[in-house]
Amino acid sequence: GDSVTQMEGPVTLSEEAFLTINCTYTATGYPSLFWYVQYPGEGLQLLLKATKADDKGSNKGFEATYRKETTSFHLEKGSVQVSDSAVYFCALVGYGGATNKLIFGTGTLLAVQP
Amino acid sequence: GAGVSQTPSNKVTEKGKYVELRCDPISGHTALYWYRQSLGQGPEFLIYFQGTGAADDSGLPNDRFFAVRPEGSVSTLKIQRTERGDSAVYLCASSLQRGSYNEQFFGPGTRLTVL
Repeated sequence: GDSVTQMEGPVTLSEEAFLTINCTYTATGYPSLFWYVQYPGEGLQLLLKATKADDKGSNKGFEATYRKETTSFHLEKGSVQVSDSAVYFCALVGYGGATNKLIFGTGTLLAVQP
Repeated sequence: GAGVSQTPSNKVTEKGKYVELRCDPISGHTALYWYRQSLGQGPEFLIYFQGTGAADDSGLPNDRFFAVRPEGSVSTLKIQRTERGDSAVYLCASSLQRGSYNEQFFGPGTRLTVL
């Protein structure tokens, strides 16, 4: 079945450092890909998405490119801030699925130090 | 406007007891999802409602789990004969409709602890 694998955390960075969180997926066809973020004490929020190969999703300085050839959707940010500290989840919705159910990775905790 | 709400925020129960978890979706959202998030894991799909009907319950782990949405709005997840392995955060999400992907908006979750 469809699955998502993302790098284990925690990832600890200093403010203004470059961030990469790796995400790869296994799915038939052309899934839609997502990054969700969970800030401390808050619910899951959609950060960005991409629905077809070579699409780039972006939001709040974060970017991720849908790479069909490497089945990847890595999350990047050029300069992280303390306020970016959160748990980040990579997820997919299978192609042609009737329910749009999300399949999540295990999450990566990001801690940004001042 | 109001987001997805879930009650209670925390529930502690004893093994073997029955529990109900409630989800109040965003007004007008016809699609509703339940997910379960165990410690250190990502959320896992349980069940999906389109309107009043359960369109996909393939994620329910066994027949102790059941969910309803009688009027197409509020949903209740029901767990019978709870087990310690049921301890997790139960998340509810809603979206405008099925079809091409519509963003799912998540509630804060109910943390269930089975002693």
